[in-house]
Amino acid sequence: AQSVTQLGSHVSVSEGALVLLRCNYSSSVPPYLFWYVQYPNQGLQLLLKYTSAATLVKGINGFEAEFKKSETSFHLTKPSAHMSDAAEYFCAVSGGRANSKLTFGKGITLSVRP
Amino acid sequence: DAGITQSPRHKVTETGTPVTLRCHQTENHRYMYWYRQDPGHGLRLIHYSYGVKDTDKGEVSDGYSVSRSKTEDFLLTLESATSSQTSVYFCAIRGGAGAGDTQYFGPGTRLTVL
Repeated sequence: AQSVTQLGSHVSVSEGALVLLRCNYSSSVPPYLFWYVQYPNQGLQLLLKYTSAATLVKGINGFEAEFKKSETSFHLTKPSAHMSDAAEYFCAVSGGRANSKLTFGKGITLSVRP
Repeated sequence: DAGITQSPRHKVTETGTPVTLRCHQTENHRYMYWYRQDPGHGLRLIHYSYGVKDTDKGEVSDGYSVSRSKTEDFLLTLESATSSQTSVYFCAIRGGAGAGDTQYFGPGTRLTVL
């Protein structure tokens, strides 16, 4: 079984401030982890993914995430928030076998204040 | 864009009527998925397909059926729509069977059941 916990449903930061969105996972097998972003009235777009090649993963739009097995975490960060980062962010986990399905967290809405 | 379209994009229907949503892909990907998105729940898997005529249930499959008669189309049917099926429905595709292979999402269909 696998699951994802995204604590809190809303994060608000000032423009230029650090963005930190937390994700903790549970998986009985080595996980593959994903962060997706959803802009209003759009589908989900892949930000980045962890597939065991490197623990620090860089994605699009200046985002990155670090896989920490000891903490079962995959937190998403960006050094300096931009107004265009306002969106909903989803963390997801997939098991380590073929044909494995994605399990999503409940999502976090990021607001960016001018 | 991943070459995924969904139709219709918006639909309002009445309780008890059947509804069919269509997902069309131009990527010739083997795997296709239907999710529903509801506030506070993230995305939940309804049904998925791993090939033509090969489908299986997800975690919230009650009240839904699917069909895949050709690679490019994956249909989701609400046999008798209920108000609890008011939601945003997303289709996704995946090219490979590996757990680390990315799912790509369509733009979504907003369904309202009155």
